[in-house]
Amino acid sequence: DAKTTQPPSMDCAEGRAANLPCNHSTISGNEYVYWYRQIHSQGPQYIIHGLKNNETNEMASLIITEDRKSSTLILPHATLRDTAVYYCIDLAGGFKTIFGAGTRLFVKA
Amino acid sequence: DSGVTQTPKHLITATGQRVTLRCSPRSGDLSVYWYQQSLDQGLQFLIQYYNGEERAKGNILERFSAQQFPDLHSELNLSSLELGDSALYFCASSVDGTGDGGYTFGSGTRLTVV
Repeated sequence: DAKTTQPPSMDCAEGRAANLPCNHSTISGNEYVYWYRQIHSQGPQYIIHGLKNNETNEMASLIITEDRKSSTLILPHATLRDTAVYYCIDLAGGFKTIFGAGTRLFVKA
Repeated sequence: DSGVTQTPKHLITATGQRVTLRCSPRSGDLSVYWYQQSLDQGLQFLIQYYNGEERAKGNILERFSAQQFPDLHSELNLSSLELGDSALYFCASSVDGTGDGGYTFGSGTRLTVV
């Protein structure tokens, strides 16, 4: 079973920031949190990952709480092409990583 | 292009038949993972190979089997196909067997069983 929990769906207006939360309360100290997204039946695409510190790359920012039990993926200026299912996973399962249902993000014009 | 190549992209076959899906991992990656995604479902882990050896099994049916060859490409064999086997099948690869560096996914094979 997935070890993370995410809201099933969210809406965001185009051009605004999309903040996607994830609960990973069972994560242990050396486990990274990874975010992927899947755009309409394409292969999941890596977005970002982090351990303790906040991370930023050209796609998104990742904010991890100090207790590491939750994180938020931020798409700073969402576009219509960001409409996708976003998966938050921890690799505690390693090769058996389970991708849960994720959050279906709808970006609206 | 993610660097992970899956063929064919689409496959239509009849119930009872057998098919083979192929995956070439990203250059330098030693581990290959297979996932199944049925309509509007999450990705279900099937099996993992690392450097030619089976490393882990997930929810893989006995009718399904896989192998990884010396050149590191992998094949997923599905036999005695049923309508319920219709799904997207994704292959992913990683540098090592832990996946700690993340996975790179291919674009998938869409299997339709009629």
